[in-house]
Amino acid sequence: QLQLQESGPGLVKPSETLSLTCTVSGGSVSGYSFYWGWIRQSPATGLEWIGSIPYSGTTYYSPSLKRRVTISLDTSKNHFSLQLTSVTAADTAIYYCARGPKVAPGAFDHWGQGLLVTV
Amino acid sequence: QSALTQPPSASGSPGQSVSISCTGTSSDVGGYDLVSWYQQHPGKAPKLIIYDVNKRPSGVPDRFSGSKSANTASLTVSGLQVEDEADYFCCSFAGNNNLFGGGTKLTVL
Repeated sequence: QLQLQESGPGLVKPSETLSLTCTVSGGSVSGYSFYWGWIRQSPATGLEWIGSIPYSGTTYYSPSLKRRVTISLDTSKNHFSLQLTSVTAADTAIYYCARGPKVAPGAFDHWGQGLLVTV
Repeated sequence: QSALTQPPSASGSPGQSVSISCTGTSSDVGGYDLVSWYQQHPGKAPKLIIYDVNKRPSGVPDRFSGSKSANTASLTVSGLQVEDEADYFCCSFAGNNNLFGGGTKLTVL
C-alpha cells in the first residue's frame, strides 16, 4: 500500500528557507504515470497547490510561488523534496505531499498525513 | 488567479441528497474537464472522491457524484450518512496552475 510521509523542521525563522522531504513507501517515485506534488493548507488561504514534479524531472510551480519554490526528485532515496525560500508568517501552514496521476492533473489520490510548519 | 468559489456551508438530514457548487471561470472549471473533489475530516488529510468531473476512485461509494455546466462544477452526495459530515473542496486544473475552492462544511443534521 502506497504511503507518503513528510519530514522536516516544524519551525522556520522568517527570511530563511523551508526544506521538507516526502518519503514514499510501498511504491516508487520512478515511472511515468504519476506526478509528485506539494500542497499546503492554512486557515487564511485554504488549500493551495505549490507544485508538482514527474519522473522526467520537469517541474510545475504555482505562478504565485514559483520565484521561491524548488521541487526535486531523488530516485535513489525514493523521495522528493520542497524548498521554499524567504519565508514569512504567511507561509505558516500544514504542508502535504501527494501523488497524482498524470492523466488527471489536480487529482491527488494519495496524501501524506501533513506537517505543520510555523514561521 | 483567484480560488474557486464554494458556499461555506451545506446541510442535510440522513438519507437526503445535497449538492455543493464550485464556480470558476472559462480559464479553469469551464476550460477543462479536470475538476476533482476532496473530502476532509478534522485533523486528516484530504481524500480524493471525484476526479475528471465525474469519475470515482476505487472504493468511493456511488453516493458521491460530480457534474459540470459551463464554469460551475457540482458535487452531489445522495443518501446522506452521518460519516459524510466533513469539509469538501473542489480543485480545477487551470493550465499552469491547480486551483482549489475555499471549502464547504457539510453538516448532517
